[in-house]
Amino acid sequence: NAGVTQTPKFRVLKTGQSMTLLCAQDMNHEYMYWYRQDPGMGLRLIHYSVGEGTTAKGEVPDGYNVSRLKKQNFLLGLESAAPSQTSVYFCASSYSSVRTDPLKRTYNEQFFGPGTRLTVL
Amino acid sequence: AQSVTQLGSHVSVSEGALVLLRCNYSSSVPPYLFWYVQYPNQGLQLLLKYTSAATLVKGINGFEAEFKKSETSFHLTKPSAHMSDAAEYFCAVTLNYGQNFVFGPGTRLSVLP
Repeated sequence: NAGVTQTPKFRVLKTGQSMTLLCAQDMNHEYMYWYRQDPGMGLRLIHYSVGEGTTAKGEVPDGYNVSRLKKQNFLLGLESAAPSQTSVYFCASSYSSVRTDPLKRTYNEQFFGPGTRLTVL
Repeated sequence: AQSVTQLGSHVSVSEGALVLLRCNYSSSVPPYLFWYVQYPNQGLQLLLKYTSAATLVKGINGFEAEFKKSETSFHLTKPSAHMSDAAEYFCAVTLNYGQNFVFGPGTRLSVLP
């Protein structure tokens, strides 16, 4: 299994350009996430998806859009890139083990991709 | 809302010394807690996780963490630091059946020869 893969690994954009980051996972996970990582700020959630065809906003969604047309893929789009979007972007996936009995619920860790380093000039 | 704090953005230890990285959380319900490690230019890897089965959790590479409800803490320790432990470490908490994770700001560990 490849796990979680991200393309591209590096990208340089000019202000106002658009691009799409692709995340793919081969673990049949329901949940997928996009984070950005900036120095001293840890990881901040941009958008996430709890299943094919569904997406939701995270902590810092402005300036980004996402789509989850297939269960294994989660796309992050920048419509008009800004220098403030210079960052390292990580995709992650996890699986659900929800049970009706609260005592049997399990919370499962996220599996991360290697990251995409984006610079916006 | 839950949150995670990590005391110390940078910790330095000598090789062979005890490693202690601190994590405190705030949550109104019992949390599920995780420690991740990030090596330079890589993604995050799971070190260990607490899911209420046992308060002392053992992870990979000799790390362990203890959940203390009274102190709302989940500190990470390793008895003897190795040069290869130099990395950034993140504590995270999740609720909502794993739909949302909240990460701490991270602690960079340096290991001195």
